Amino acid sequence: GQNIDQPTEMTATEGAIVQINCTYQTSGFNGLFWYQQHAGEAPTFLSYNVLDGLEEKGRFSSFLSRSKGYSYLLLKELQMKDSASYLCAVVGNTGKLIFGQGTTLQVKP
Amino acid sequence: DAGVIQSPRHEVTEMGQEVTLRCKPISGHNSLFWYRQTMMRGLELLIYFNNNVPIDDSGMPEDRFSAKMPNASFSTLKIQPSEPRDSAVYFCASSLSWPGGRNEKLFFGSGTQLSVL
Repeated sequence: GQNIDQPTEMTATEGAIVQINCTYQTSGFNGLFWYQQHAGEAPTFLSYNVLDGLEEKGRFSSFLSRSKGYSYLLLKELQMKDSASYLCAVVGNTGKLIFGQGTTLQVKP
Repeated sequence: DAGVIQSPRHEVTEMGQEVTLRCKPISGHNSLFWYRQTMMRGLELLIYFNNNVPIDDSGMPEDRFSAKMPNASFSTLKIQPSEPRDSAVYFCASSLSWPGGRNEKLFFGSGTQLSVL
């Protein structure tokens, strides 16, 4: 089976840095994605990791450790518009993209 | 490109009625996915197609649900008969290739908010 765990909610302050963790147990591993979803909208792609290490893209970075079944999404210089749900999703041997429940991030002034 | 287009945006129906959700993927994408999202269960994969062929429908809840992709530019998800527990947001998404590494990233439509009374 597949299991993806993320914290349900997080709160952070505008301008700060926040790290959203994701742990997974899957049958095989073929890539990990992070998506952002604003309330009432569709998910949008943020990042993709398939090898260990850090992928940086502007204010957002994503890290992967395959041996630990662990990833995190790092958001720097938080802005109010970053308030959203962040979804971790994994592709296992089945080829299906399975999503975690998501982490709702609230950014406060 | 217009992105993934779904219709209708909102659907309110009564229990027992047939519901048909429609999706037009991004031109040139060869993979199409149907997801359902609820507060309790999050985003659940229902079925996905590669080159118009259903690859995995193990997520389809029961026989009341069916999906078709008659050509590369159109797919439908049908619920017959509908039940209140089917109330959710249904997303269609397309991908350039599947599997395909970085090209696997999904582009989602705006979703259909379904309410079954």
